[in-house]
Amino acid sequence: DTEVTQTPKHLVMGMTNKKSLKCEQHMGHRAMYWYKQKAKKPPELMFVYSYEKLSINESVPSRFSPECPNSSLLNLHLHALQPEDSALYLCASSQEGRGTGELFFGEGSRLTVL
Amino acid sequence: GENVEQHPSTLSVQEGDSAVIKCTYSDSASNYFPWYKQELGKRPQLIIDIRSNVGEKKDQRIAVTLNKTAKHFSLHITETQPEDSAVYFCAASTGDDKIIFGKGTRLHILP
Repeated sequence: DTEVTQTPKHLVMGMTNKKSLKCEQHMGHRAMYWYKQKAKKPPELMFVYSYEKLSINESVPSRFSPECPNSSLLNLHLHALQPEDSALYLCASSQEGRGTGELFFGEGSRLTVL
Repeated sequence: GENVEQHPSTLSVQEGDSAVIKCTYSDSASNYFPWYKQELGKRPQLIIDIRSNVGEKKDQRIAVTLNKTAKHFSLHITETQPEDSAVYFCAASTGDDKIIFGKGTRLHILP
């Protein structure tokens, strides 16, 4: 299995909702990432979970919170989002961690905040 | 923190010609430099990467060069084909487990 699976593929939510994005990989990779990608922009790193340590991009607002239940799962909890948070959220995993290996991306979860 | 600059933002080349995309980085601790291709509506996929102990790497029509002294690396695509049309992102590792992307180059292959 060489896939990173993200659910849901599409999500529409209001600004008062609480929702979660899920990401799963069964490649035994040691690192998992959440990236945010707006149209015609590069992926922007939000969180890294590598060797059981969570690293946070300091510019990410607290209305996004990651959770890593085990080494194969990385969830992204969403609460009180703003319309500007509408974007494609990409999960990725890497065998080597430490930012030194190929990123395997999921297909993404397209989020619309109304 | 790491800053990755990428040029040009848009590039149009005639089919069969070569394309070159250039990137610079700021973090001296960076030691891994991947290139990703993203077709419209799809996920980014790795096309080639290079590590800091190597100056050049080639895979068929694609090559990457790295100049660590200048903190500069480049992607070269030869004999371009229509399927090469996409957005290309360079990226660099940081000293703290992260991979940071450049702003991207939209490559158009003209018939």
